[in-house]
Amino acid sequence: AQSVTQLDSQVPVFEEAPVELRCNYSSSVSVYLFWYVQYPNQGLQLLLKYLSGSTLVKGINGFEAEFNKSQTSFHLRKPSVHISDTAEYFCAVRDDKIIFGKGTRLHILP
Amino acid sequence: ETGVTQSPTHLIKTRGQQVTLRCSSQSGHNTVSWYQQALGQGPQFIFQYYREEENGRGNFPPRFSGLQFPNYSSELNVNALELDDSALYLCASSKLGQTNYGYTFGSGTRLTVV
Repeated sequence: AQSVTQLDSQVPVFEEAPVELRCNYSSSVSVYLFWYVQYPNQGLQLLLKYLSGSTLVKGINGFEAEFNKSQTSFHLRKPSVHISDTAEYFCAVRDDKIIFGKGTRLHILP
Repeated sequence: ETGVTQSPTHLIKTRGQQVTLRCSSQSGHNTVSWYQQALGQGPQFIFQYYREEENGRGNFPPRFSGLQFPNYSSELNVNALELDDSALYLCASSKLGQTNYGYTFGSGTRLTVV
């Protein structure tokens, strides 16, 4: 079975600074990867997905992620964060279902 | 197009009771999945329904059961509630075979068992 590991449970970052949220996945012949965001007291919203093709994927709200097959990673990045980016971020992989990581809480410092 | 709607948004039940949560899938979607998200954890897969039959199940006991209706809406039933069942329950709909493998999530039902 596939799995994802989010290496950081919390990431504090100053407003307008860049951020990287790390995600590693278990190896498979083909892999479909996702990043979801969960704002406080809300459901999950899709940020971006990798299905095939270009390894650099751009999503909503200025986020992007890079699929790295050799390192089995799919790290999420944003060049400049805003206070509104405060949320929980989940990396996920699609098997016959979606399997989520444990999440990374992004904490924006003023 | 309509998104995924879940009801109720919040619910408080007593240990040992039974609960039914409801989900209306997004228009055009034919598959519904249910997830349990405990506080501070990632969502855990409970089961998935396609064509009114369960076609995948996670590591949850039989007291977690479900239904899918001809209009693709779904119910999650939990019997003999335990304190550890307190969680956010998320419903997601998708279209089997859809090439972009998109799942649309509802806002969830927050269940508190006391």
